[in-house]
Amino acid sequence: EIVMTQSPATLSVSPGERVTLSCRASETIRNSLAWYQQKPGQAPRLLIYGASARATGIPARFSGSGSGTEFTLSIRSLQSEDFAVYYCQRYNNWPSFGQGTRLEI
Amino acid sequence: QLVESGGGFVQPGRSLRLSCVGSGFAFDDYAMHWVRQAPGKGLEWVSGISWNGDIIGYADSVKGRFTISRDNARNTLFLQMNSLTPEDTAFYYCAKDVVGPGPFYFDFWGQGTLVTVSS
Repeated sequence: EIVMTQSPATLSVSPGERVTLSCRASETIRNSLAWYQQKPGQAPRLLIYGASARATGIPARFSGSGSGTEFTLSIRSLQSEDFAVYYCQRYNNWPSFGQGTRLEI
Repeated sequence: QLVESGGGFVQPGRSLRLSCVGSGFAFDDYAMHWVRQAPGKGLEWVSGISWNGDIIGYADSVKGRFTISRDNARNTLFLQMNSLTPEDTAFYYCAKDVVGPGPFYFDFWGQGTLVTVSS
């Protein structure tokens, strides 16, 4: 089974900064990768699919890149509402998630 | 909209059946999934079913104990959970796939229903 590993587990940043979150697959998944944002008490929200395509309504400050086994989610000019947990998910077969990266102030 | 129900408190070894009713989209056009999240933990995909029920998958952690099904006439997704253990304690979300056969990614999620397994 392909394992998804996210790093770091927690990232402490300040509003206005740019951050990059990492997701690594244990085998190639081409571009079959999605990113989700989850805030406390809420369901996850789709941000990125196909490794780099923004979902409907997602602000342009969110961007995804990568293919194969290495992927990144970048958020430029962090807003207060961006502090949340971010998960990557592979979907080359039955899906699995990374363990998440928490963005904290 | 996706609305889950059926969660609750149950003793180890017992069963529970979750339901998820979809509205506002063509339910029978899309694969559907169950994803769970133990309190304070990450997301775990549990099971998925294609639009017509022909393609079904389970996580190893629930295989042989959980059964996913759907009733397209009632726009409803089900998860029959048997032989529950404390490790099954989690919020259970239903999630809509973006394609019929699945599995792809999930563009809409319900708000979840909490299952607590404890003696």
